Amino acid sequence: QKEVEQNSGPLSVPEGAIASLNCTYSDRVSQSFFWYRQYSGKSPELIMSIYSNGDKEDGRFTAQLNKASQYVSLLIRDSQPSDSATYLCAVNLYYGGSQGNLIFGKGTKLSVKP
Amino acid sequence: NAGVTQTPKFRILKIGQSMTLQCTQDMNHNYMYWYRQDPGMGLKLIYYSVGAGITDKGEVPNGYNVSRSTTEDFPLRLELAAPSQTSVYFCASSYPGGQGAGNEQFFGPGTRLTVL
Repeated sequence: QKEVEQNSGPLSVPEGAIASLNCTYSDRVSQSFFWYRQYSGKSPELIMSIYSNGDKEDGRFTAQLNKASQYVSLLIRDSQPSDSATYLCAVNLYYGGSQGNLIFGKGTKLSVKP
Repeated sequence: NAGVTQTPKFRILKIGQSMTLQCTQDMNHNYMYWYRQDPGMGLKLIYYSVGAGITDKGEVPNGYNVSRSTTEDFPLRLELAAPSQTSVYFCASSYPGGQGAGNEQFFGPGTRLTVL
């Protein structure tokens, strides 16, 4: 059973702080990793993708990947109340010749307090 | 570009009724997907398609059917609706990526379905 695990939260941080969201996955074949943001009542929105070990930065967001530990994280610097949402981790399994499908975690609810 | 569009936004069905959820994308993506999202349960893949005329089952296909006659459209059919199909349904699309990249999926706004 391929699984993606996230702490459901809620994770509460004060405005301006760093929010750290974590995700572990069970299948070592996993090749591509994604973070989606989902506001209440809305659809998931892709905010970060990462494919190789290390850090990837995009504005206030940094994704970190450690394939050996099967761990991917998302850091949000200078958190704003508008960052309050559920963050979904998704993992793509690639088997040669087939794109594979995304496996989603259940999401971590983030609340940024003014 | 409108991206991925879905209709209707909301629908209430009676047990045993049937309906089709529509999904259209204008990004010329080969891959399309249908998910359902239940509260606290994450996204579950119902069906997917890698191109016109090709569909395959996902994790939770029972009670649903799909077809893909064009690159743009990927309708989801519910036959004999049951209360267990009450959920939010999302359609998504992506371009082929291959090893080490890709499968960045873009979602439509969703259809909220209630079966009573």
